[in-house]
Amino acid sequence: EAQVTQNPRYLITVTGKKLTVTCSQNMNHEYMSWYRQDPGLGLRQIYYSMNVEVTDKGDVPEGYKVSRKEKRNFPLILESPSPNQTSLYFCASSLEGGNTEAFFGQGTRLTVV
Amino acid sequence: GENVEQHPSTLSVQEGDSAVIKCTYSDSASNYFPWYKQELGKRPQLIIDIRSNVGEKKDQRIAVTLNKTAKHFSLHITETQPEDSAVYFCAAHGDAGGTSYGKLTFGQGTILTVHP
Repeated sequence: EAQVTQNPRYLITVTGKKLTVTCSQNMNHEYMSWYRQDPGLGLRQIYYSMNVEVTDKGDVPEGYKVSRKEKRNFPLILESPSPNQTSLYFCASSLEGGNTEAFFGQGTRLTVV
Repeated sequence: GENVEQHPSTLSVQEGDSAVIKCTYSDSASNYFPWYKQELGKRPQLIIDIRSNVGEKKDQRIAVTLNKTAKHFSLHITETQPEDSAVYFCAAHGDAGGTSYGKLTFGQGTILTVHP
């Protein structure tokens, strides 16, 4: 089944404790991206990757890191999480660039206390 | 960078009525404008999209119109049904030559409620 898989689905952590949210797609898509969703602010792009070893900042990259060592995986890393990073996170992939349909993962609900 | 404004933030209609959601964008180089529907507790899913060389696109009860000159695009849902109740997001993709190349920028979302 074609899908984008994120893990974990729910995570509660403490300020400053490094964490990684994994994202994997099995559709051989070139473009992958991370978004955070906050009430009233919609979906805001954190980072995106047009292909392996190519990553670029989205609109809200501060406090986040990503890597794209393999085509299928695009992990999101929070080196030192802070409470303002409490949010719902979505990973998405698209066949070619951001101008094709985005397929979203199930979402990760992160709470930083 | 790109700025996408979406209105209204909430929209309440009676079943069978039409619903219209409007978005404006700032980067004239943007070339792709998708609309996503997110049901409660679910992930966003594409419902319709339009490219900059097209003015209108229809798919059954939904349609999207694009005015490149005015830099705005709209989602039209006719004969609304209770299952259309969801959050709807517009988005704009930046093309080469613009300030937001490669980025996909979303609007703030519209909560649509269709009353039976």
